[in-house]
Amino acid sequence: AQSVTQLGSHVSVSEGALVLLRCNYSSSVPPYLFWYVQYPNQGLQLLLKYTSAATLVKGINGFEAEFKKSETSFHLTKPSAHMSDAAEYFCARPYYGNNRLAFGKGNQVVVIP
Amino acid sequence: EPEVTQTPSHQVTQMGQEVILRCVPISNHLYFYWYRQILGQKVEFLVSFYNNEISEKSEIFDDQFSVERPDGSNFTLKIRSTKLEDSAMYFCASSEMSTNQPQHFGDGTRLSIL
Repeated sequence: AQSVTQLGSHVSVSEGALVLLRCNYSSSVPPYLFWYVQYPNQGLQLLLKYTSAATLVKGINGFEAEFKKSETSFHLTKPSAHMSDAAEYFCARPYYGNNRLAFGKGNQVVVIP
Repeated sequence: EPEVTQTPSHQVTQMGQEVILRCVPISNHLYFYWYRQILGQKVEFLVSFYNNEISEKSEIFDDQFSVERPDGSNFTLKIRSTKLEDSAMYFCASSEMSTNQPQHFGDGTRLSIL
């Protein structure tokens, strides 16, 4: 099945520490990949996208993600967590050949002061 | 920045009643979608819509569901006879093109079935 996997539902990180959220995809064909963020009581906002142009992708709010084909991964990082980063983060990909998005289960990020 | 807007933000409905969720996609987008997120579960695809017809639907999107673009701006999701298990957050999304394009989401409608 064409899917993405996010492990660990809740992630706690200290303010100022590295944020690392893992996403692995299942496919023999490198897919397009997206990270979305959902702040409390808001919709899904696109953080960044991988479209095969560059393996290191920079997004909004200081986040970036690196596509690694050998590891079938697209992990999201931010060097220094801020209180405003508390949100739920979803990895997603389109199914091959159509336009529906498949989402991971999400990571709820809690930032500890 | 243009955005997708959804109304209402919260809808409470008695089981068996019809409900219509409304969305205004981004104006130059051609593809429209509905997703839902049951509390604690993944965001799930329901349906995609292009050129005034359904282009794809999931197994969740049964005969109780329908979508419509009644005018040039609105995109609606109707649930004909709601069930308790329809309680979820429903997200509308739109995109300029079809495959491999990021979709832009609204803030969602929280549907509560009593």
